[in-house]
Amino acid sequence: GAVVSQHPSWVICKSGTSVKIECRSLDFQATTMFWYRQFPKQSLMLMATSNEGSKATYEQGVEKDKFLINHASLTLSTLTVTSAHPEDSSFYICSARDLERETYEQYFGPGTRLTVT
Amino acid sequence: GQNIDQPTEMTATEGAIVQINCTYQTSGFNGLFWYQQHAGEAPTFLSYNVLDGLEEKGRFSSFLSRSKGYSYLLLKELQMKDSASYLCATLDSNYQLIWGAGTKLIIKP
Repeated sequence: GAVVSQHPSWVICKSGTSVKIECRSLDFQATTMFWYRQFPKQSLMLMATSNEGSKATYEQGVEKDKFLINHASLTLSTLTVTSAHPEDSSFYICSARDLERETYEQYFGPGTRLTVT
Repeated sequence: GQNIDQPTEMTATEGAIVQINCTYQTSGFNGLFWYQQHAGEAPTFLSYNVLDGLEEKGRFSSFLSRSKGYSYLLLKELQMKDSASYLCATLDSNYQLIWGAGTKLIIKP
């Protein structure tokens, strides 16, 4: 149980275009999903916390107009990188909390590797 | 402020035992997690401690001392596949995870 999927696994796009990444909890409901970014050989960096039916909470330094987050249902959150630039190339990982568990454990998706050329 | 410290890198030998330490100072405390992350992959859950003491789970054990703001992850009978980064994270008063920078563990034959 507690499986989180991400799509796509990897994507290459041209500078200036937008990319949408989907995060789904497959066998549980997640009121809260998290979006992380990880550059090579660095730790996870929380970008934003996404709550179902409300606006996402962005961490300091993360541009909300550039990284659009939508959490339309209890099983789906999307991250759209708008007007992508080469410096946005990174490993993007989502995680979700299971509504019915009390441990606050986050279940991670497999990640999406974004390369902007 | 909030701060989590763990060594950047450790090296150990296959079949041996290694202990990865984590010290923390956070606003409120609702437990500590250890995650394993292989290169290019997402983190996977290893353990969660909220009470003082040692919790054993197969080859991996995790210890917590709340009074000292200290935890460690103990890996026994090391295998080559244990080469990975190990992330310490605490749950603060808002139930948000605060992540350490991770410890890269290198296992040598």
